[in-house]
Amino acid sequence: GQQVMQIPQYQHVQEGEDFTTYCNSSTTLSNIQWYKQRPGGHPVFLIQLVKSGEVKKQKRLTFQFGEAKKNSSLHITATQTTDVGTYFCAGLETSGTYKYIFGTGTRLKVLA
Amino acid sequence: NAGVTQTPKFRILKIGQSMTLQCTQDMNHNYMYWYRQDPGMGLKLIYYSVGAGITDKGEVPNGYNVSRSTTEDFPLRLELAAPSQTSVYFCASSSGSVAYFGAGTRLSVL
Repeated sequence: GQQVMQIPQYQHVQEGEDFTTYCNSSTTLSNIQWYKQRPGGHPVFLIQLVKSGEVKKQKRLTFQFGEAKKNSSLHITATQTTDVGTYFCAGLETSGTYKYIFGTGTRLKVLA
Repeated sequence: NAGVTQTPKFRILKIGQSMTLQCTQDMNHNYMYWYRQDPGMGLKLIYYSVGAGITDKGEVPNGYNVSRSTTEDFPLRLELAAPSQTSVYFCASSSGSVAYFGAGTRLSVL
């Protein structure tokens, strides 16, 4: 079945440093979503990417969808303590099932 | 606006007991999902539904059952609780793009 892996599993950065997490799917995706989960909270939707090679920006966050639609990345510029949490990608297979499979997540800690 | 509501928030079960985790959404979404999240881990899809009367298995369906008699409700049933089912359970709903999650149910099976 479909598997979605993320690297790294953990990342500690100094406040102001950049951060990137990578998401890789074993199958081609119809689209990919990114979520953020604060410690003790629930996942909150950040963005959805649909097109091959698509790049979207939200303030300091840049999201990219690979040309082959099997990988994606999230880059945060100049991290802040408010960026702390776990970032998940969620992929939808090109099957029309609306069965989103979540990646393993990257836990980000930002040291002030 | 309530969004996705899960009850209970916390529950402790003994091995072999059964229980139903409730999930209700008021956004008229067709798609609903149940995920479990073990400590420090990602979310695993248990079951999902694309509309009333239609459900399908996810990645880890064993030990669980679901039903979808209405658009709003998507309860998750544990028949014979086992320690391996200790986890945080999240329900989510979607219109086909953004998924909205409930606050979760923290379940311990002892």
